[in-house]
Amino acid sequence: SQTIHQWPATLVQPVGSPLSLECTVEGTSNPNLYWYRQAAGRGLQLLFYSVGIGQISSEVPQNLSASRPQDRQFILSSKKLLLSDSGFYLCAWNPPTSTDTQYFGPGTRLTVL
Amino acid sequence: QKEVEQNSGPLSVPEGAIASLNCTYSDRGSQSFFWYRQYSGKSPELIMFIYSNGDKEDGRFTAQLNKASQYVSLLIRDSQPSDSATYLCAGGNLGGSQGNLIFGKGTKLSVKP
Repeated sequence: SQTIHQWPATLVQPVGSPLSLECTVEGTSNPNLYWYRQAAGRGLQLLFYSVGIGQISSEVPQNLSASRPQDRQFILSSKKLLLSDSGFYLCAWNPPTSTDTQYFGPGTRLTVL
Repeated sequence: QKEVEQNSGPLSVPEGAIASLNCTYSDRGSQSFFWYRQYSGKSPELIMFIYSNGDKEDGRFTAQLNKASQYVSLLIRDSQPSDSATYLCAGGNLGGSQGNLIFGKGTKLSVKP
């Protein structure tokens, strides 16, 4: 069966510090991968998605970036965090041939102080 | 701007009643629609998807889609206190190189014992 992992689970970082969040999927090959952010009082906002190694599409211009160095690994990064980067970061995946499923990882709660 | 609109609630129903959650979407190109349940502090979990006009039943849950009216709903029969959560509606197209979903902000459901 497939599982999706995210770490860390929680993170408190000062403004201006760097960020690296990791997501890995097990039990599948060539998944479509997504990074979402859920800020307080707002809906899920798609940040990045990837259909393969090195293929990243950005949905929202901001100080975040994403990379996919391996087939089942997706990383979200920032060089300098802003207060507005606080939120619940969710990684999601679906099989590349599937149009009817998208599964979320457990999420990382980021607080920028 | 592609949008999915939901009433934020809270929607309060007594235990054993039918809970009705509604959602409208703006993008007529959306092919698939999803309902997720999100408990406080947790990541969303997929309940149902629907892509054809009409009803789709799965246990106590029934999803309804009306593409002409751009309207999606979720009925929960015999509501239980454990159904208390925020329900997210999403629409879009998965699969291929441009698949992604647009999420509503969610409706908070409270089932009173």
